[in-house]
Parts: sequence; C-alpha cells; structure tokens
Amino acid sequence: AQRVTQPEKLLSVFKGAPVELKCNYSYSGSPELFWYVQYSRQRLQLLLRHISRESIKGFTADLNKGETSFHLKKPFAQEEDSAMYYCAPPRGGSQGNLIFGKGTKLSVKP
Amino acid sequence: DAEITQSPRHKITETGRQVTLACHQTWNHNNMFWYRQDLGHGLRLIHYSYGVQDTNKGEVSDGYSVSRSNTEDLPLTLESAASSQTSVYFCATAGTSGEQYFGPGTRLTVT
Repeated sequence: AQRVTQPEKLLSVFKGAPVELKCNYSYSGSPELFWYVQYSRQRLQLLLRHISRESIKGFTADLNKGETSFHLKKPFAQEEDSAMYYCAPPRGGSQGNLIFGKGTKLSVKP
Repeated sequence: DAEITQSPRHKITETGRQVTLACHQTWNHNNMFWYRQDLGHGLRLIHYSYGVQDTNKGEVSDGYSVSRSNTEDLPLTLESAASSQTSVYFCATAGTSGEQYFGPGTRLTVT
C-alpha cells in the first residue's frame, strides 16, 4: 500500500527563519506529488505540484526519488505562512486519487 | 467560474439518525472524493467515485455510503450517525491534471 509520512506534527519558527517541512513517500513508478495548504478553518488549497517546478508564495519542493522525499522549503518564513501543510503523493488507481499525510502545523512567530 | 460546494456547512444531529451531506461540483470532473478530517489523523478517505454509477470504498468507509447518479453530485450518507462520526467532512474533485480541488467542508456534530 502507498504510504506518506510527515514526521513533524508541529513546526514552530520565528519570522524570517528558514523552514523545511519533511515528506517521505512510498510509490512505485514516477509519482506526481503535491503540497496542499490549509489556513485556519478554510478548505485545502493546492500550494504546489512538483511537475511544474514553480515557486508559490516563496515555497519550493524538490522530488528526491532516491530518498523518496518531497520536502517543502522556504528561505524566510512569514507570519502569514502559519497553516497546516499536507503532502500528497498518488494513491494509485485513477489520476487524481491522492493519499494525504497527517499534516504538519507550521507556526511562525513574530 | 467552476466551483465545488458543500451543504450544509454545519450540522448537529443525534445518535442513530440518518444524515446526508451534499457535494456539488461544476468542474465536470469524473473523479470525486469524500474525506473526514480529524485532529491527529489528517485527511482519511471515506469513499470515492470515478464516474456515474461508480463508487468505491476508502480507508474508513464503515457506516458511510455514497451514490453517483450524475457527474455533478456525490452525496455522502451516514446510515445511523454515531458520536465517532463527529468530524469535518471535505468533498474533492479531480480532473486529468491529477490535482484535487476541495469544497469548503461540513462540520458535523453527533450528540
């Protein structure tokens, strides 16, 4: 079965500090991975997808197939980055069936 | 603009009652999903559908059912609500791009 692990439940940093949210997955083949963000009491929204290699809100994520990791990084955290972050590799089956990690709560302190 | 809506947004019901949560999308996506979100568990898949008349069980399907009679709607039914089903429920759709789009969620309390 496909698995995704986000080892940190909570990550607390000060404004301006670098941030790295870890994600490890198990998936055979060439996965397309996503990071989703959920601000307080809102719906989940797509933050970025690895295939586009975009930088959204200053966040980037590099797929490391050797380590099966897809860590999310930002060089300088902002208070508005405080949110829940979910890593989502494919579950298998039809396209768009994703498996979500348990999430990491990022708290950026002033 | 295409969207995905859920209703009701908040619901309080009693143990043993049947409850149906609605999900409606105008993306014209074939793939639809229902999740529950609980502290410490993240998002867990309840049921999903790859098209009209297709439904599949997810990780935590016991006590829930879905039906897909058209492309736009995937209602989620709790046959006999239990306190353990108190949660926030999210509906999502996915198209050929592989990414999911989420609804605003329904907060369900079973007393």
